[in-house]
Amino acid sequence: GNSVTQMEGPVTLSEEAFLTINCTYTATGYPSLFWYVQYPGEGLQLLLKATKADDKGSNKGFEATYRKETTSFHLEKGSVQVSDSAVYFCALSDRGANNLFFGTGTRLTVIP
Amino acid sequence: EAGVAQSPRYKIIEKRQSVAFWCNPISGHATLYWYQQILGQGPKLLIQFQNNGVVDDSQLPKDRFSAERLKGVDSTLKIQPAKLEDSAVYLCASSPGLALPNEQFFGPGTRLTVL
Repeated sequence: GNSVTQMEGPVTLSEEAFLTINCTYTATGYPSLFWYVQYPGEGLQLLLKATKADDKGSNKGFEATYRKETTSFHLEKGSVQVSDSAVYFCALSDRGANNLFFGTGTRLTVIP
Repeated sequence: EAGVAQSPRYKIIEKRQSVAFWCNPISGHATLYWYQQILGQGPKLLIQFQNNGVVDDSQLPKDRFSAERLKGVDSTLKIQPAKLEDSAVYLCASSPGLALPNEQFFGPGTRLTVL
């Protein structure tokens, strides 16, 4: 079946620290992978995506690389800002399912 | 471009009452999804429509939940009767179609509290 396992939170970092949020997946086919972000009081927004092995998705300084050999899609940012405080969700879309399977989410708090 | 609209934003009801949520997807988007997000968990798909037809409702508790998308545009999700465990945020999302990579656009959600 399809599933996503995400790093447990919450994560608290100081401004300008390096961020990694781990995500691994199980899929029956060759999924597309996504990171969604939910800012306080707002809906889910797509942060970045990758559709095939070795693809790197990037947006707003965040990056994630689709690693088929380790079934992972870890989210990274070199220098976080207070405005990055949010809940981050890893998700996959399998060709056979056409819907999104989400991880449990990781809450990030960045302190000045 | 207008985003996905949902109403109401908040709803408080007592158990055994009924409730309905409304969603208007992005114009031209053929596929519409309803998700349930329980506090501390990721969203879980309840039902997926392609135009006005159901693609997947395998996770929808059909004894109490129902959904429709009669004209292939907006949609309503109903719970009758509600249980305490239905307290959650109900998210509506839309996408242009079924082709990958299935990028979905989410509405702000309706937060339901069942007392």
